[in-house]
Amino acid sequence: DAGITQSPRHKVTETGTPVTLRCHQTENHRYMYWYRQDPGHGLRLIHYSYGVKDTDKGEVSDGYSVSRSKTEDFLLTLESATSSQTSVYFCAIRDRGRGSHEQYFGPGTRLTVT
Amino acid sequence: KNEVEQSPQNLTAQEGEFITINCSYSVGISALHWLQQHPGGGIVSLFMLSSGKKKHGRLIATINIQEKHSSLHITASHPRDSAVYICAALMNRDDKIIFGKGTRLHILP
Repeated sequence: DAGITQSPRHKVTETGTPVTLRCHQTENHRYMYWYRQDPGHGLRLIHYSYGVKDTDKGEVSDGYSVSRSKTEDFLLTLESATSSQTSVYFCAIRDRGRGSHEQYFGPGTRLTVT
Repeated sequence: KNEVEQSPQNLTAQEGEFITINCSYSVGISALHWLQQHPGGGIVSLFMLSSGKKKHGRLIATINIQEKHSSLHITASHPRDSAVYICAALMNRDDKIIFGKGTRLHILP
């Protein structure tokens, strides 16, 4: 399995509080992604990064920000959590080297906003 | 209309049955990824393919680029195969990855 960890794995927070989720990889892959997974929607891209300090928005980026100061870490921040951000969040990495397109996923973080 | 469509959405079958899950896409792709997610679990990569067929154990994935269609087959299905199966297409035009909504498979003992 690819070396990807997410922390925390579970979090309950109140509406209006800031929340930061961390994705850490040991594979030295260039591309990192944050997705949310909700019933009826499948996986939706929030933000992605194509290198240190290089990030871009996905299809559901409103209310989220990201940072990548090191190759191994990609942080997702909810500046002021809302109940609509209750979801399971997955981080993924991708190499894109040697013709590979495969993504590897972290274990997920279950976030509940009350 | 989603660019990646999976069918069926839900599938219940008896242990031992041959299972087929379909994935269709509407634009050019460079590769298609099949993923498995057990209830409450993480997402595991099964296959990445851009042409032909791949086999791993009881799982077989095929892709027909001209018809824009891929299938995932499970032979001699077992209750432990119960999971959500997701296809994801890597788009030619912008290298983005588009996910299907998944097929929930339940194998009865």
